[in-house]
Amino acid sequence: GNSVTQMEGPVTLSEEAFLTINCTYTATGYPSLFWYVQYPGEGLQLLLKATKADDKGSNKGFEATYRKETTSFHLEKGSVQVSDSAVYFCALVTGNQFYFGTGTSLTVIP
Amino acid sequence: DTEVTQTPKHLVMGMTNKKSLKCEQHMGHRAMYWYKQKAKKPPELMFVYSYEKLSINESVPSRFSPECPNSSLLNLHLHALQPEDSALYLCASSQGPGQGPEKLFFGSGTQLSVL
Repeated sequence: GNSVTQMEGPVTLSEEAFLTINCTYTATGYPSLFWYVQYPGEGLQLLLKATKADDKGSNKGFEATYRKETTSFHLEKGSVQVSDSAVYFCALVTGNQFYFGTGTSLTVIP
Repeated sequence: DTEVTQTPKHLVMGMTNKKSLKCEQHMGHRAMYWYKQKAKKPPELMFVYSYEKLSINESVPSRFSPECPNSSLLNLHLHALQPEDSALYLCASSQGPGQGPEKLFFGSGTQLSVL
């Protein structure tokens, strides 16, 4: 079946620290992979995506590389800001079925 | 226009009330979704409309009734809800089957409280 496993949070970092949030997936076929971000009181916003193996998605300093050999799509950012505090969801789509990870809460302190 | 607009933003209702949540998109997307999200949890799929036809119903209780009047609009009619139905209800849209790589665009949600 299809599923997404995400690193458990919450994660607390100091401003300018390096961020990694792990995500691994199980899928039949060739899924597209996504990271969504949810700020308090809001819906989910697409942060970045990758549609095939070895693709790197990037946006706002965040990056993730679609690794088929390790079935992973880890989110990274070199220097986090307070404004990055949010919940991050890893997701995959196959056909038009979307599967979400459990979410990782990130708090960045000044 | 890359927005999915949901109204109302907040809703408080009693267990005997009837209310509706509304969702609108003008991106030409042919798939629209309702998700339910509890605090600190991922969204749970409720319904999918594909080309204005209900294609997925994830065993949702009949007190939730979706409606897709046209390709831009999606409603969720609520009746006789329970307190445990209190949650953030998210609408989303995507291009639809056969239209290329899919990605979901979400609205800001309706925060529903059932008293």
